[in-house]
Amino acid sequence: GAVVSQHPSWVICKSGTSVKIECRSLDFQATTMFWYRQFPKQSLMLMATSNEGSKATYEQGVEKDKFLINHASLTLSTLTVTSAHPEDSSFYICSASEDNTWSPLHFGNGTRLTVT
Amino acid sequence: KQEVTQIPAALSVPEGENLVLNCSFTDSAIYNLQWFRQDPGKGLTSLLLIQSSQREQTSGRLNASLDKSSGRSTLYIAASQPGDSATYLCAANAGGTSYGKLTFGQGTILTVHP
Repeated sequence: GAVVSQHPSWVICKSGTSVKIECRSLDFQATTMFWYRQFPKQSLMLMATSNEGSKATYEQGVEKDKFLINHASLTLSTLTVTSAHPEDSSFYICSASEDNTWSPLHFGNGTRLTVT
Repeated sequence: KQEVTQIPAALSVPEGENLVLNCSFTDSAIYNLQWFRQDPGKGLTSLLLIQSSQREQTSGRLNASLDKSSGRSTLYIAASQPGDSATYLCAANAGGTSYGKLTFGQGTILTVHP
């Protein structure tokens, strides 16, 4: 079945630094990938839609200058948390579907970010 | 704005019981509804996807139903096992131009004890 891989699975960084998270579709091409965020004991919330070769679309309330998304190839999207602060500590998870349509979305294993 | 609610928030049952997890959504204009399983600190595993035109989907011991008109979906787990312990999430897909914009419920934390 379709596999979405995320790296790293966890990261600890100091306040003010930037962190890059990678999301790869291993056995299919994804023109669109989706980035979600999950705060402790809360459900997942869509942050942005990553589009290959074009700008990402951000959900209301998500700072595009803080969460930089790059989708440079059909199998890789990256999310960079810039100038991270403790309140950015969260579980970040990406997803994509095999045929870029209405088939089931497959999710990566997520990245636990802790900002100290 | 779509809102998804899951009841109960937590459920603890002995092994072997059949159980039902409930999901309700406020906007019935969904394209599909998907059930996921999430283990602690892990990503999501897709369990079942029900298209808006469908009434139910089955996979092994899992059966999910969908009633769009009433804004409800249920996940039925038969003969529960300790390995079923996890958080179960339902997510409504609104359709439109972005197929990946899911609205998630808060989840039901299931514990199946031996």
